[in-house]
Amino acid sequence: NAGVMQNPRHLVRRRGQEARLRCSPMKGHSHVYWYRQLPEEGLKFMVYLQKENIIDESGMPKERFSAEFPKEGPSILRIQQVVRGDSAAYFCASSPLRTESYEQYFGPGTRLTVT
Amino acid sequence: AQSVAQPEDQVNVAEGNPLTVKCTYSVSGNPYLFWYVQYPNRGLQFLLKYITGDNLVKGSYGFEAEFNKSQTSFHLKKPSALVSDSALYFCALNTNAGKSTFGDGTTLTVKP
Repeated sequence: NAGVMQNPRHLVRRRGQEARLRCSPMKGHSHVYWYRQLPEEGLKFMVYLQKENIIDESGMPKERFSAEFPKEGPSILRIQQVVRGDSAAYFCASSPLRTESYEQYFGPGTRLTVT
Repeated sequence: AQSVAQPEDQVNVAEGNPLTVKCTYSVSGNPYLFWYVQYPNRGLQFLLKYITGDNLVKGSYGFEAEFNKSQTSFHLKKPSALVSDSALYFCALNTNAGKSTFGDGTTLTVKP
């Protein structure tokens, strides 16, 4: 059973460009979470999605950031008009069910560098 | 509102000695607590969790954690540390909405 897949692993963008980060959850998992980890900091929750639904986006910046998890295909975290402060590691996690007692399975992360 | 605190940024222990990484939490309702480990340039790996039942929870790689409701703590422990245990450790708290709140992490360094 393959784990959570994220691509690309490393992404370099110039200021003003768009960044698209992809996440394929573990097989059988229908719940996806995105987190951001700034250098020397912990994980900050961004958004929680189910197939075709955004369940909780309370951690998403109000502008430039969006996320989706379509019926077919990976979940996408999209950052428009990137700025230097967006440079971070972005982690995706998945779980099989919506319940507080389940651990999350994390992907290896996408390291975004904005130049 | 819920929160997780890891009061130590860094913990240093000698190989073979016991280790403790501290975590305290705040939540209304029942806590669902987790420990994860992160190695350099990798994602987080699940170590163990407390949902209900026995206050002492055993997990991967010889780690265990003790849930203490009166002190609202969930400290990670290991009787004998290995150099390979050196990593970044995160405590996390789940809500019934599925979102996890993570502590800021504790860097564990085990010296030979």
